Amino acid sequence: DTEVTQTPKHLVMGMTNKKSLKCEQHMGHRAMYWYKQKAKKPPELMFVYSYEKLSINESVPSRFSPECPNSSLLNLHLHALQPEDSALYLCASSQDPPLAGGHETQYFGPGTRLLVL
Amino acid sequence: TQLLEQSPQFLSIQEGENLTVYCNSSSVFSSLQWYRQEPGEGPVLLVTVVTGGEVKKLKRLTFQFGDARKDSSLHITAAQPGDTGLYLCAGEDVNAGKSTFGDGTTLTVKP
Repeated sequence: DTEVTQTPKHLVMGMTNKKSLKCEQHMGHRAMYWYKQKAKKPPELMFVYSYEKLSINESVPSRFSPECPNSSLLNLHLHALQPEDSALYLCASSQDPPLAGGHETQYFGPGTRLLVL
Repeated sequence: TQLLEQSPQFLSIQEGENLTVYCNSSSVFSSLQWYRQEPGEGPVLLVTVVTGGEVKKLKRLTFQFGDARKDSSLHITAAQPGDTGLYLCAGEDVNAGKSTFGDGTTLTVKP
C-alpha cells in the first residue's frame, strides 16, 4: 500500500480566513513533504519533515505554517492568504528522508485544490 | 538555475506513434523518479531508477538511467490516448541535499 490521503479535496477561502490542510500516511514513512503546484508547472517544494522534525523550509511566507503532530500526520495551517496562493497543494511521503542513503522515492497524495478569493 | 532540464516541454502525437522524453542535468543523482500526473490530481509514480545504466520496462514504457547518473529517458511505444498527461522527472541531487523536479512534459495523444 502506497497511499497518501489528503483532505479536503477542494477548499475556497477568503483572505481573512484560517483553514488547515491535512495529510495522512500509514506506510511507516519517516519523511513527509508539502508542495505547491501551479497549473502546467512542476511541484515546488515548501517544507520537509524528517522524523517528525522540520528539516527544510524553502523560504515559505509565514502565512503558511506546517505542523507534524505524529509520524503519520502532516498539517498545513493557512492564515491571511493572498489570491496568488491559489494552487494545488500536494503532500508526499518517503520511507527515508532525502539523501539519507535509503529509500527516498516520494509518494504523492491526490492534492487539495485551493482557491483564495 | 534549473537542475533538471526536461525536453520536450510539449508533445502532441497521433495514437500509435512512439516518443521519447529526456531529463538531463549536470548534477549527479542518487536516484531518479518518473511520474505521470493528470490535471487536478497528484503525481503517480511510474518508476525509480537507482543504478547507472539501468533500464526498466513497464509495459509500453521503457526507462533508462544514464551511466553517470546525470540523465534519464522515458520511451513510450505505440502511444495511446490514455497516455495523455504531464510527465515529470525528479531526482535526489547529491549536491543540493534535496530532491528536484524537471519542468515537465505535457503529452497529448490524439485518437
